[in-house]
Amino acid sequence: KQEVTQIPAALSVPEGENLVLNCSFTDSAIYNLQWFRQDPGKGLTSLLLIQSSQREQTSGRLNASLDKSSGRSTLYIAASQPGDSATYLCAPGGTGANSKLTFGKGITLSVRP
Amino acid sequence: DGGITQSPKYLFRKEGQNVTLSCEQNLNHDAMYWYRQDPGQGLRLIYYSQIVNDFQKGDIAEGYSVSREKKESFPLTVTSAQKNPTAFYLCASNPRGSGGHEQYFGPGTRLTVT
Repeated sequence: KQEVTQIPAALSVPEGENLVLNCSFTDSAIYNLQWFRQDPGKGLTSLLLIQSSQREQTSGRLNASLDKSSGRSTLYIAASQPGDSATYLCAPGGTGANSKLTFGKGITLSVRP
Repeated sequence: DGGITQSPKYLFRKEGQNVTLSCEQNLNHDAMYWYRQDPGQGLRLIYYSQIVNDFQKGDIAEGYSVSREKKESFPLTVTSAQKNPTAFYLCASNPRGSGGHEQYFGPGTRLTVT
């Protein structure tokens, strides 16, 4: 059974700092991995989707990398802003036609002005 | 605008009552999912459906039921058999056979049972 770990559970940084959020998973037989953002009391917003054949994906100030063999993914946020404050969740997806995602508990990020 | 709608945003029920949460999507996605989120926990899969008139249990299906009579709709019923129904419920969808496709989420319904 896939298990996903995101450490630390919470992170506070000053505005402008570059930061890395880590995600590890136990079963490397994944099809893809998705990073999400969740604001308090809201649904999830997809940030980046990395296919298992890819090493990284970029969108604006966000860059996600995937090392499938070692069961790790990182989300890099450049020049952090207070508006980046949210909970970030990673979710590796199963293989084949079944696209079930397994979620970590998330990292709650606070960017201080 | 394409997307997923969930209603209502907040729902209150007395213990022992069944309650149905609505999920509608106009993205033309075949696959739909229901998750439950508790404080400090990751999302846990309740039920999913890859196609109309077919659905499968997820990791925590006990005390829940679903139907998928239309492609656009995937309602979730929380029955009185669910021991701890108070939670935040999220609906999601993506294209079928979707290796490689993003999963999109609705805004969620917060259910409180007293």
